[in-house]
Amino acid sequence: SQTIHQWPATLVQPVGSPLSLECTVEGTSNPNLYWYRQAAGRGLQLLFYSVGIGQISSEVPQNLSASRPQDRQFILSSKKLLLSDSGFYLCAWSSDTQYFGPGTRLTVL
Amino acid sequence: DAKTTQPPSMDCAEGRAANLPCNHSTISGNEYVYWYRQIHSQGPQYIIHGLKNNETNEMASLIITEDRKSSTLILPHATLRDTAVYYCIVRGGVSGNTPLVFGKGTRLSVIA
Repeated sequence: SQTIHQWPATLVQPVGSPLSLECTVEGTSNPNLYWYRQAAGRGLQLLFYSVGIGQISSEVPQNLSASRPQDRQFILSSKKLLLSDSGFYLCAWSSDTQYFGPGTRLTVL
Repeated sequence: DAKTTQPPSMDCAEGRAANLPCNHSTISGNEYVYWYRQIHSQGPQYIIHGLKNNETNEMASLIITEDRKSSTLILPHATLRDTAVYYCIVRGGVSGNTPLVFGKGTRLSVIA
């Protein structure tokens, strides 16, 4: 069966520091991968999606970037975090149905 | 933008059926209706999806009107653990290439 992992589960970072969140999927090959963000009390916002290695589509201009160095690995990064980057970051994969990981709660202070 | 309209909140007594409505009047012929739920501080959980026929699985039933402009998710015997935000999403095809676009959903509170 397929599983999706995200780490870390929680993260507290100072403003201006870099960020790297990792997502990996097991049990499937060539999945479509997605990064979403949910700000406190808000809905889920699609940030990036990828249909293959090195292929990244950005949905919203952000202080963030994404990379897919391997088939089942999706990384969300930032060079300098802003206060507004705080939120719940969710990775998802799909073949037909989309499945979500457990999420990373990021607090930028 | 989300293509669906849902009530912001609903209450349901424990043990009773929870019926969550969704309007999707602009749905096109190849678009599916998906339902997810998000329990507090967790990632969204897939519930069910359908095209035009009613669907049932171990979690819920999905009733889609004949004109496909609205649907209802039914939780037959709601429990306290069903308290969550429920999202109705219209998505083109079952191709995994189309990302889900979430609206604000319905906050369902199951009351003892």
